Amino acid sequence: EAGVAQSPRYKIIEKRQSVAFWCNPISGHATLYWYQQILGQGPKLLIQFQNNGVVDDSQLPKDRFSAERLKGVDSTLKIQPAKLEDSAVYLCASSPTTGGFETQYFGPGTRLLVL
Amino acid sequence: TQLLEQSPQFLSIQEGENLTVYCNSSSVFSSLQWYRQEPGEGPVLLVTVVTGGEVKKLKRLTFQFGDARKDSSLHITAAQPGDTGLYLCAGGGHNQGGKLIFGQGTELSVKP
Repeated sequence: EAGVAQSPRYKIIEKRQSVAFWCNPISGHATLYWYQQILGQGPKLLIQFQNNGVVDDSQLPKDRFSAERLKGVDSTLKIQPAKLEDSAVYLCASSPTTGGFETQYFGPGTRLLVL
Repeated sequence: TQLLEQSPQFLSIQEGENLTVYCNSSSVFSSLQWYRQEPGEGPVLLVTVVTGGEVKKLKRLTFQFGDARKDSSLHITAAQPGDTGLYLCAGGGHNQGGKLIFGQGTELSVKP
């Protein structure tokens, strides 16, 4: 079974530029998560989708971050414009139904450096 | 804000030593998970504990969920260099709106 795929793996941009990350979850998984992991910290949930609907985006900085999950499969996370403090690893995870006790399967992450 | 505090944040030990990592909170969790994350990779689930007082063993790793479901510990016996990585605890449940709250992680380095 293929795991969660993310691209790109690394991205370096200058502040005020835009960037987009892509995630392909495990086939058949209804729930998709985007996390931000700043160096030295644990992952922080940015947004949770169930199929193509948003379940929780309470910690998404909506003035600069946006995410979509068209057709309930792949997802993209966009930052526009980027700030220095957005430098982090962006992790995508998926689970078969909806969170809580279930195992979340994580992708390898996209490492973003904002200069 | 609900927090999970892990201690220690960094741990460097020699191969063969034992160690314990702690995960504490003032909040009650329905479940608590432990993940291990290697450099350049995403976290991988090690175990889920759901009952207060529960103890689970995974080879040389022993996980315990506190009686009040507010804390957990991970004990590694005879650590090996392959155990090196970032260990994350994550709590979830109805009090957390169904989402996982992660601790800040414990960076473990086991030297041969």
